[in-house]
Amino acid sequence: GQNIDQPTEMTATEGAIVQINCTYQTSGFNGLFWYQQHAGEAPTFLSYNVLDGLEEKGRFSSFLSRSKGYSYLLLKELQMKDSASYLCAVRGALDSWGKLQFGAGTQVVVTP
Amino acid sequence: GAVVSQHPSWVICKSGTSVKIECRSLDFQATTMFWYRQFPKQSLMLMATSNEGSKATYEQGVEKDKFLINHASLTLSTLTVTSAHPEDSSFYICSARDLTRDRAIRGSTDTQYFGPGTRLTVL
Repeated sequence: GQNIDQPTEMTATEGAIVQINCTYQTSGFNGLFWYQQHAGEAPTFLSYNVLDGLEEKGRFSSFLSRSKGYSYLLLKELQMKDSASYLCAVRGALDSWGKLQFGAGTQVVVTP
Repeated sequence: GAVVSQHPSWVICKSGTSVKIECRSLDFQATTMFWYRQFPKQSLMLMATSNEGSKATYEQGVEKDKFLINHASLTLSTLTVTSAHPEDSSFYICSARDLTRDRAIRGSTDTQYFGPGTRLTVL
C-alpha cells in the first residue's frame, strides 16, 4: 500500500532549528514536495527533491534519501510566522498528471 | 506568476441543495487541475483529477455522480457538490499545473499551485 508518515506536532522556540521527518512507501517515486499550510489557508510550495541530497532555500532546507524512503525539512532561525502545518507529499508512479499523495502534516508551534 | 483563485471562499447551504465551486488559473493555462478535500486537522485527500476537455478521473471511494467536475477551459474547472449533506462539510481546495510549461522548462519542479480553498458548511 501507500503510506506517508510524519510526526503530528513539534514545538520549538523562536530562533531555534526544527527538523521534520517524513518517511514514505509508495508505488513508484517521482519527486517529493514540502508545503506549508497556515490554518484555513491553502498550502504553499516550499521545496522539491527528486534526487538524493540536500536542497537549500534560505532558512529552509530539504533532504532526500530515496533508498531509505526518507526526507526531512529543516527550518532554521525559526520565526513566529513559521507556526503552521508542514505537509510532505510524494508524487508516485510516473504519469502525465503529477498526482500527489500527502502526509497528514506536522503542526509546528513556535514559542517566544 | 502561477496564481490560482477559488470562488466562493466560503459557503453555507441547506442539506439537499447543490453547491458549485470555481477554480481559476489567473496567469497561466492549467492543463490539469486537481480537487482535494481536507477535514479538520487531517491531510489533503485527492478527490479527482481533471484534464481540460476530458472527463475527470476520480479517486477510489469518491462518488462521481455526487461530485461533478467540469474542466471546460484551460483556466477554469468547477466542482459541484450535488445534494449536499452535513457530512460533505469540509475545506475544498483545488490545484493546477501547466504541464506544457513544466515540460518546457529545464529543471522545472513540476509543482502544483493551490487555490485559497473553499469552506463548505452544510446545515
